[in-house]
Amino acid sequence: AQSVTQPDIHITVSEGASLELRCNYSYGATPYLFWYVQSPGQGLQLLLKYFSGDTLVQGIKGFEAEFKRSQSSFNLRKPSVHWSDAAEYFCAVGIYSSASKIIFGSGTRLSIRP
Amino acid sequence: DGGITQSPKYLFRKEGQNVTLSCEQNLNHDAMYWYRQDPGQGLRLIYYSQIVNDFQKGDIAEGYSVSREKKESFPLTVTSAQKNPTAFYLCASSMVGQGSVPTGELFFGEGSRLTVL
Repeated sequence: AQSVTQPDIHITVSEGASLELRCNYSYGATPYLFWYVQSPGQGLQLLLKYFSGDTLVQGIKGFEAEFKRSQSSFNLRKPSVHWSDAAEYFCAVGIYSSASKIIFGSGTRLSIRP
Repeated sequence: DGGITQSPKYLFRKEGQNVTLSCEQNLNHDAMYWYRQDPGQGLRLIYYSQIVNDFQKGDIAEGYSVSREKKESFPLTVTSAQKNPTAFYLCASSMVGQGSVPTGELFFGEGSRLTVL
């Protein structure tokens, strides 16, 4: 069965420090991969997506992610976090076979230390 | 303005009652989805639909039902068979591109919070 794993439930980093959020997926074919962010009291917003091509993708708000097929991973990175980055981050996989569905990981809550 | 409208925002239900959550979109998207969000469990897929009059079960469909009679509308019924219905429900939609593949970006509604008393 397809699945998405985000092993870190909660991460705290200092403002200005670098960030990496981990995501691993289980899917037999080449996946479509996404990162979404959910700020407190707000809906989900797409940060970036990978469909094909360059395995390093750039997103909004200074985020990037790298697809590593050998590791079945799609980790999200940011070189320097801002207090406004505090939110919950979800990795997702698009399964496109006879019908199309998108499944999400359990999320990683990011806190920023002043 | 284009978007997804979910209603009601808050809903209280007595045990044993069915309740229907509304989801309407004016984005002209073909694909629509229902997710349930619980703390620590992320978003879990309940049902999804790629075209009118067709839908598929997601990972946690038991105790739920949907219909897709119009492209714009994808209502979710939480039945009395759902053992733990108290949760935050999110509806989403997506464009469908070549080969009937959704383009990927999900547009979400603001959600409906259901509490069973």
